[in-house]
Amino acid sequence: KAGVTQTPRYLIKTRGQQVTLSCSPISGHRSVSWYQQTPGQGLQFLFEYFSETQRNKGNFPGRFSGRQFSNSRSEMNVSTLELGDSALYLCASSRANTEAFFGQGTRLTVV
Amino acid sequence: QKEVEQNSGPLSVPEGAIASLNCTYSDRGSQSFFWYRQYSGKSPELIMFIYSNGDKEDGRFTAQLNKASQYVSLLIRDSQPSDSATYLCAVKMSSTLGRLYFGRGTQLTVWP
Repeated sequence: KAGVTQTPRYLIKTRGQQVTLSCSPISGHRSVSWYQQTPGQGLQFLFEYFSETQRNKGNFPGRFSGRQFSNSRSEMNVSTLELGDSALYLCASSRANTEAFFGQGTRLTVV
Repeated sequence: QKEVEQNSGPLSVPEGAIASLNCTYSDRGSQSFFWYRQYSGKSPELIMFIYSNGDKEDGRFTAQLNKASQYVSLLIRDSQPSDSATYLCAVKMSSTLGRLYFGRGTQLTVWP
């Protein structure tokens, strides 16, 4: 059974650019959540999608956005990148109210 | 404010010992409890989950939940150097579907 797949694995972007990250959940999982992990802040919740609807949103600026498609795949977008956006971005999928499994993450470096 | 607190590390134990990791949570609406292991530079890996009060054992791992005390713990028996990692406690509310609330993690080192 395939796990959660995140692409790309690594990205280097310049300040001011935008970036789109992709997450394909485990088959049958309709809930997808996104987290940002940095050494100083730990795991910070970005947003959660279920059946193409955003159900929860964390405390991040509007530059961070996301969406979910009918096949449960999800994307997140960060516009006008800042140096502080450098982080490991993690996607987790689950069936509703069950255990969540993480993808390998996308390591974003903003220079 | 939903908070998840883990005992401050780092925690260092000798090979073969029992490692005890603790976690408290603030919201009594919490329904599900998870332990993730994260190796340096890798993503979190689910190792245990528990939904009911009491103990749950899986191999060398035992999760313990006490909802009255809002406390969940993870015991690792016969600790191995390969258990050296950061352990993350996570809590899910019944109202938030997939969202997890995480502690800051406890770094465990098992020395030979």
